[in-house]
Amino acid sequence: DAGVIQSPRHEVTEMGQEVTLRCKPISGHNSLFWYRQTMMRGLELLIYFNNNVPIDDSGMPEDRFSAKMPNASFSTLKIQPSEPRDSAVYFCASSFGSGGGYNEQFFGPGTRLTVL
Amino acid sequence: AQSVTQPDIHITVSEGASLELRCNYSYGATPYLFWYVQSPGQGLQLLLKYFSGDTLVQGIKGFEAEFKRSQSSFNLRKPSVHWSDAAEYFCAVGGGYGGSQGNLIFGKGTKLSVKP
Repeated sequence: DAGVIQSPRHEVTEMGQEVTLRCKPISGHNSLFWYRQTMMRGLELLIYFNNNVPIDDSGMPEDRFSAKMPNASFSTLKIQPSEPRDSAVYFCASSFGSGGGYNEQFFGPGTRLTVL
Repeated sequence: AQSVTQPDIHITVSEGASLELRCNYSYGATPYLFWYVQSPGQGLQLLLKYFSGDTLVQGIKGFEAEFKRSQSSFNLRKPSVHWSDAAEYFCAVGGGYGGSQGNLIFGKGTKLSVKP
């Protein structure tokens, strides 16, 4: 298996632009997670899907952030409009099972987002 | 509240020396405990996990960790460090209920440098 695939690996954009990050989980995994990593705040869970349904989105910072999972093999995280404080590395992870707190999560390589 | 503390932000050890990275947690239920490693520019990779049973857990790359319930600790150890072990190490706790089932709570990480 190719592992969790994320695209793009790097994104540089200007403030106010829309940004879309993409994730393909490992085939057969039914839980998907979006994380954000910054020096100041460390690794934060943004949203968690199970069987394509959002279960916990309490970590989504504000309405500018949205995430979708239209099918078991694809998810997007969208920021609109983007702001410089959104600059971070965004990770997607997947696991098999009903709760990520119990099961190993497999992480993608991340997308480094820079908002100018 | 659930939390994970990694008291050491940065540790430097000589190649061939032993290593211990500290992790303390605060968790109301029986914890599921994980150690992940992140190499520069990469996603997180699971080193080992503890769910139940033997409190000394063996992982990949020669790492082990010991769960001590009385001390709320899950310290990571390696008897002889290799230069390739230089990376950032994250302790995480999970196993909650309801909406938090998806959540792994991560520590802020400990960056390991290895001197030749």
